[in-house]
Amino acid sequence: AQSVTQPDIHITVSEGASLELRCNYSYGATPYLFWYVQSPGQGLQLLLKYFSGDTLVQGIKGFEAEFKRSQSSFNLRKPSVHWSDAAEYFCAFATSGTYKYIFGTGTRLKVLA
Amino acid sequence: GAGVSQSPSNKVTEKGKDVELRCDPISGHTALYWYRQSLGQGLEFLIYFQGNSAPDKSGLPSDRFSAERTGGSVSTLTIQRTQQEDSAVYLCASSPGQEYNQPQHFGDGTRLSIL
Repeated sequence: AQSVTQPDIHITVSEGASLELRCNYSYGATPYLFWYVQSPGQGLQLLLKYFSGDTLVQGIKGFEAEFKRSQSSFNLRKPSVHWSDAAEYFCAFATSGTYKYIFGTGTRLKVLA
Repeated sequence: GAGVSQSPSNKVTEKGKDVELRCDPISGHTALYWYRQSLGQGLEFLIYFQGNSAPDKSGLPSDRFSAERTGGSVSTLTIQRTQQEDSAVYLCASSPGQEYNQPQHFGDGTRLSIL
């Protein structure tokens, strides 16, 4: 069955520290992968997406993600976290020929001053 | 330009009442999605509209839920005889087309609370 897993429900980091949020998917071929961020009381904003080509993709707000086929992963990273990055982060994927996204359950990020 | 607009932003109602949630997609976007986000859960797909095609209603949890999209633009999600388990944030998204490589743009959601 197609699924996406975000193993970490909550993550806390200090401001200025590096960040990595994990995302694993289950699918027989290469899916199309997305990371979204949701600030409190707001909808989801697209951070970055991977369709093909270079496995390291750059997004907005200084985020990047790396697609690793061998590990079925698409982890989100940021070298130095800012307090404004505190939010909930969702990984999602879609497959060719379909319009439905499958979302993970999200990782809530807390940033300590 | 204007993003996806949802109204109301918050709705509190008594169990058993009907509610209507509205979504105004980005102009020109042909695809429209409704999702439900319950506390601590991911996004649960509810329904999908694409142009004039028949909607995909496969995610609607019960026959108390229905949605329509008039004129290929504004959409209304209706929940009849609300139950406490319907309490959630209802998110609407739109995209330029149905292909996977056209990311969905989300509204800020309607937070529904059933007393």
